[in-house]
Amino acid sequence: QSVLTQPPSASGTPGQRVTISCSGSSSNIGSNTVNWYQQLPGTAPKLLIYSNNQRPSGVPDRFSGSKSGTSASLAISGLQSEDEADYYCAAWDDSLNAVVFGGGTKLTVL
Amino acid sequence: QLQLQESGPGLVKPSETLSLTCTVSGGSISSSSYYWGWIRQPPGKGLEWIGSIYYSGSTYYNPSLKSRVTISVDTSKNQFSLKLSSVTAADTAVYYCARHRVLMVRANWFDPWGQGTLVTVSS
Repeated sequence: QSVLTQPPSASGTPGQRVTISCSGSSSNIGSNTVNWYQQLPGTAPKLLIYSNNQRPSGVPDRFSGSKSGTSASLAISGLQSEDEADYYCAAWDDSLNAVVFGGGTKLTVL
Repeated sequence: QLQLQESGPGLVKPSETLSLTCTVSGGSISSSSYYWGWIRQPPGKGLEWIGSIYYSGSTYYNPSLKSRVTISVDTSKNQFSLKLSSVTAADTAVYYCARHRVLMVRANWFDPWGQGTLVTVSS
């Protein structure tokens, strides 16, 4: 059972906009910033979004992040087949004194 | 371009100690504002942070693993290492090392990551 809750799966067709949610509590998302990682099949995770809504250099602006209260979201617009991957949210948890991850969402491009 | 590479045994016996090393290239492990972390992923499951270390040797660990974990750093070799004691089958996972950017406790992230190494715990 992960501290941060994500839907196990999501899907969309090419060109569509999809969102992935990440729900937490006041001790993690509610008081700390959220990061998102993309894990393509058979590869290591890659930083996609940091500090709620910042994109590292090289990440397309099709990817965006937002946070409200104790929840965060990752939005992917103009969905492409190469976006098919697992996506994880993460944040610091003040009660656990640990970095906590969501369980991951497997995105399928139909 | 910063790169990280994990190395170590791929098979460890139950009750023994798992030992891995991460070699950093393309940058100095002694850079300020950066910790260096370990994260693991059991087969088919999600990610779990193990712990992180600063070049000075300051560490912080996931409380759920703290009693079994030791992370150390060797600045002369640009490496940091993980030791996990008393392993069981539940410790079978892909182990990743990563640079841990810590602006402040509330704002921290991992980037980049090593390719990962699978460690299997089995007799």
